[in-house]
Amino acid sequence: GENVEQHPSTLSVQEGDSAVIKCTYSDSASNYFPWYKQELGKGPQLIIDIRSNVGEKKDQRIAVTLNKTAKHFSLHITETQPEDSAVYFCAAIGGGGADGLTFGKGTHLIIQP
Amino acid sequence: SAVISQKPSRDICQRGTSLTIQCQVDSQVTMMFWYRQQPGQSLTLIATANQGSEATYESGFVIDKFPISRPNLTFSTLTVSNMSPEDSSIYLCSVEGQNQETQYFGPGTRLLVL
Repeated sequence: GENVEQHPSTLSVQEGDSAVIKCTYSDSASNYFPWYKQELGKGPQLIIDIRSNVGEKKDQRIAVTLNKTAKHFSLHITETQPEDSAVYFCAAIGGGGADGLTFGKGTHLIIQP
Repeated sequence: SAVISQKPSRDICQRGTSLTIQCQVDSQVTMMFWYRQQPGQSLTLIATANQGSEATYESGFVIDKFPISRPNLTFSTLTVSNMSPEDSSIYLCSVEGQNQETQYFGPGTRLLVL
């Protein structure tokens, strides 16, 4: 089955700086890679996703890049703000769309004022 | 995205008892999933709730411990049976989005077993 590795486990950045979180996956058949943000006491919120036919996707301050050859994908957050503080999870899913997601272990992002 | 609600939002239960968690979505969806998130950990898929047939369980999860119902396309339940303190977790349901792979999560049910 799929295995997703995520690092770092904790990331502390100054407000206004950029943050990068990296994930690798093991199943070359995986073709969909979402990122979730989870705030304390809440369920995970989908913030951006990318499919295997695309190398990069951007949504305002958030971007995701995918390298299928190396089987890794990354989340980039620019101009970080205090409300970006949360736990971020990467995930992967195989083909077919009927499968559940395999999650990374999460990154606790701390934005220092 | 769909609006997903879960009941209860949290509960404290005694070991040996069972708790049924409800998941309601505001639109019809084909796929619903149940995940477990142990304290400070990531999410692990328990099972896929199939409408009109038995749920499909992941390795390490069995129907006797986590029976699932899916009576229609907007509702599902997960029961945590014969609970022990190790079952203390957040239980989350998710539903597929318009793009099949996309999944949206409910707010979760926080369970503490004493």
